Amino acid sequence: DAKTTQPPSMDCAEGRAANLPCNHSTISGNEYVYWYRQIHSQGPQYIIHGLKNNETNEMASLIITEDRKSSTLILPHATLRDTAVYYCIVRASKLIFGTGTRLQVFP
Amino acid sequence: EAGVAQSPRYKIIEKRQSVAFWCNPISGHATLYWYQQILGQGPKLLIQFQNNGVVDDSQLPKDRFSAERLKGVDSTLKIQPAKLEDSAVYLCASSLRGGQGFTGELFFGEGSRLTVL
Repeated sequence: DAKTTQPPSMDCAEGRAANLPCNHSTISGNEYVYWYRQIHSQGPQYIIHGLKNNETNEMASLIITEDRKSSTLILPHATLRDTAVYYCIVRASKLIFGTGTRLQVFP
Repeated sequence: EAGVAQSPRYKIIEKRQSVAFWCNPISGHATLYWYQQILGQGPKLLIQFQNNGVVDDSQLPKDRFSAERLKGVDSTLKIQPAKLEDSAVYLCASSLRGGQGFTGELFFGEGSRLTVL
């Protein structure tokens, strides 16, 4: 499974869009990009995943570059409850978590 | 729909003692995972079961850790004897299926926090 690189921390104002980047330059053709988040003292929670095309669900949007070497998770209107650690994972067969990005949403 | 259940939520033991954690996955989920999460790090996969068979235990310290899923439903993770470095949150997760090509999501429990003194 390919390695991912994420910034260790980011801040976002409540109500604004949070854009979380992820680099995965060694991704191979059959590997999906997954995003999970972990709110303090809880288990990780699935957000979204994609292969090539951009994806959107009720929680977020996932933008994958054409060469698939990077992606961005977008939370369109961040709330205080979105404060969490966000993990970008490239997966073929199993989920391997890195250290993620700690997103702090402030009022 | 009931989520992944884990117990106990918290456990404090002395080093060299033993401890066991229990997990009941979401009904119908064939694949069960145990992860270890040390403070400040992402979760690390310890073992993956497909029904009652082990699919991947490459990261499980087999000299002290053991896990079983005898009837293909709930699972127990045991540590014996515990070391100071085993202090962590032990997360259980389940999914409908698993393995190569599986693109579904994993559902995690809230975890069992172990402190070894």
